[in-house]
Amino acid sequence: EAQVTQNPRYLITVTGKKLTVTCSQNMNHEYMSWYRQDPGLGLRQIYYSMNVEVTDKGDVPEGYKVSRKEKRNFPLILESPSPNQTSLYFCASSLQGLLAASSYNEQFFGPGTRLTVL
Amino acid sequence: AQKVTQAQTEISVVEKEDVTLDCVYETRDTTYYLFWYKQPPSGELVFLIRRNSFDEQNEISGRYSWNFQKSTSSFNFTITASQVVDSAVYFCALIYRGSTLGRLYFGRGTQLTVWP
Repeated sequence: EAQVTQNPRYLITVTGKKLTVTCSQNMNHEYMSWYRQDPGLGLRQIYYSMNVEVTDKGDVPEGYKVSRKEKRNFPLILESPSPNQTSLYFCASSLQGLLAASSYNEQFFGPGTRLTVL
Repeated sequence: AQKVTQAQTEISVVEKEDVTLDCVYETRDTTYYLFWYKQPPSGELVFLIRRNSFDEQNEISGRYSWNFQKSTSSFNFTITASQVVDSAVYFCALIYRGSTLGRLYFGRGTQLTVWP
C-alpha cells in the first residue's frame, strides 16, 4: 500500500532532550516536506527536500534540522526541544516538486505526530 | 504578509445546505498552483484539488466544485447538498514559482460543521 509513515505517532518529552521523528514513504517520491499545525495558525512548512541531499527551509525552520540521505526517508530532528515546539507534525511527499506540471503530482500526508514538550 | 487568507474561521450549516468556503491568495507571480485539503476529525490530511494559474476553468467533482477567479485572486470551494461527513477543517494553499521551489503556503483553515 502506497503510504507515508511517521513514528512515533505520539510523544511526550522534556525540554532539551534531543528527539527524532521519522518519516518514510514507499512511493519513490522525490519531494518530501515537514509541516507543523497549531490552533489558529493552520499548517506551516518547516523544511522541505526536492531530492536526496537537497533540503531547504520553509517558513518556520528555527529549532529543527532535517536530513535526506535516502530517497524514502526524511527525519525531523529537534536537537533541544522547547515547549513552543509542542505541536502536531505532518510529513508529506509528492512525486516531484510541487510546481511540477504533472496532473499526478498529488501531495500525500502522513498520519501526523503529536508532540508535547514539557 | 499572509499569502493565503481564509477569512471564515468557522462555518455551520444544516445538512443539504450548500456552503462556500472562501480562499483569497496573494502573489505577483504569473505561475502558481492552488490547492485545497480536507482534514476530518480523525486528523489526517486529504488532498482535494490542485489548480494551476493558467487554467481558470471551474472544476466540479461530484458535490464539490471550485471557482477560480484570477481577477479577484480567489479560489473558492463549494459543497453542494452538504452532508455530516463533510464536517472537517478545510485548508487552501498556494505555491508560486518565485518562491523557493518547494515552499507551500497554507491558509489558517475553515472549520466546517454540518449538522444533521
